[in-house]
Order: sequence, then structure tokens, then C-alpha cells
Amino acid sequence: DQQVKQNSPSLSVQEGRISILNCDYTNSMFDYFLWYKKYPAEGPTFLISISSIKDKNEDGRFTVFLNKSAKHLSLHIVPSQPGDSAVYFCAASDMPLVFGKGTRLSVIA
Amino acid sequence: DAGVTQSPTHLIKTRGQQVTLRCSPISGHKSVSWYQQVLGQGPQFIFQYYEKEERGRGNFPDRFSARQFPNYSSELNVNALLLGDSALYLCASTARVGSGYTQYFGPGTRLTVL
Repeated sequence: DQQVKQNSPSLSVQEGRISILNCDYTNSMFDYFLWYKKYPAEGPTFLISISSIKDKNEDGRFTVFLNKSAKHLSLHIVPSQPGDSAVYFCAASDMPLVFGKGTRLSVIA
Repeated sequence: DAGVTQSPTHLIKTRGQQVTLRCSPISGHKSVSWYQQVLGQGPQFIFQYYEKEERGRGNFPDRFSARQFPNYSSELNVNALLLGDSALYLCASTARVGSGYTQYFGPGTRLTVL
């Protein structure tokens, strides 16, 4: 049973627009969440994280929102750039990390 | 600073063979974790080691084993390879960042079993 779900396998966005990637989780014991970006033939690269005591965390163009009551988090990328095209994984930290299946983001110039 | 390093980059083996994958964590990191990623899935946890002791094991058969050395580097061994073991094997080292633990991944070893 998947504890972390990314229900959109793919997303296409125009360059300069906002990309919103969504993630749902089922285990209310998760208290720390991370987003990773992965290019083909490379390992995942850490992007941004959020603790369950917060509902928002920003780092440059990346913002993660957490809605604990809905067990939902989202990653916003503004503005989207062609170099953002990659697979994005949501993960929950229960040491070890529990990953979703990923969403492939394509940013179209 | 060097990130997590893994060797080899690619490996081709045949069914029934054994394989050893190697990982060096980020300098100063004492915890190493191994993950398996197959196409279309997120990474799946295999093992975690901290200070040379196993701290966690995922749902993988006993054909998978690992160890951590005094310098915190690690090896993952897989015996009696099956076609289904073909995957990207990722190593990660762990650091506490704020109120949580963040794992930093190496480039992975692509294992192909024929």
C-alpha cells in the first residue's frame, strides 16, 4: 500500500508560468517532507523540505506548501524554466525516506 | 566538498552471478542508506547503516546484504542475481537539516542483469 502518492505521472507547463506538483500521504506520523528532482542517469537532487510544524517553506523559485489536515503537499515553481524539466519525487521522512512514484515535468519554451 | 560517490557507474551481469556496489558518503556523514529504483517507480529502501551498524532493512530478500566500514564507506552485495534485480542502485548519506533528516544521493549504479 503506497503511503506517498503522486497521482499525476506527467505535467507540461509553458516557460515562465507556474508549475504545481502535488503529493498526498496516508501516514499521519510523517513529520518531515522533501522534494527531489531527478534527471535521467543521475541520482535524485534534494530541492526543498518542510517540517510538519510549518505550512510553507520557500527557497528562491521553489515553494512547498503543506496541508496536514488534508495530508497533502505541493511544490510550486515560479517562474518555470526549461532546465526544470525533470522527474520530481515527493518523499516523507520516516527514516528511511518513503518516495512517491514521481511526476515528470516538461517545461516548454 | 565532494558529494556522495558510487562505483561502478554501470554494470552488466548474468543471472546467478553476484555483484558488489560501492559508496562513499559526504565527508562527515556517518549514515549511509541504499535504495533501489526501477523504471517508473520511486526509490525503494534497502538498507541503512549508521556507525557500521545496520539501523534499518527494507522488504528485500536475504540475497541482498550490506556493510559499512570504519571510514563510513559502504558496500551493497547482491547474490544469485535475478532479471528483476536490474535497476538503478542509489546510495545516500544523511545529515540533520533543521528539524528533519535530509538524504543526499549519489549518481547511482545502473545494474543490468541478462
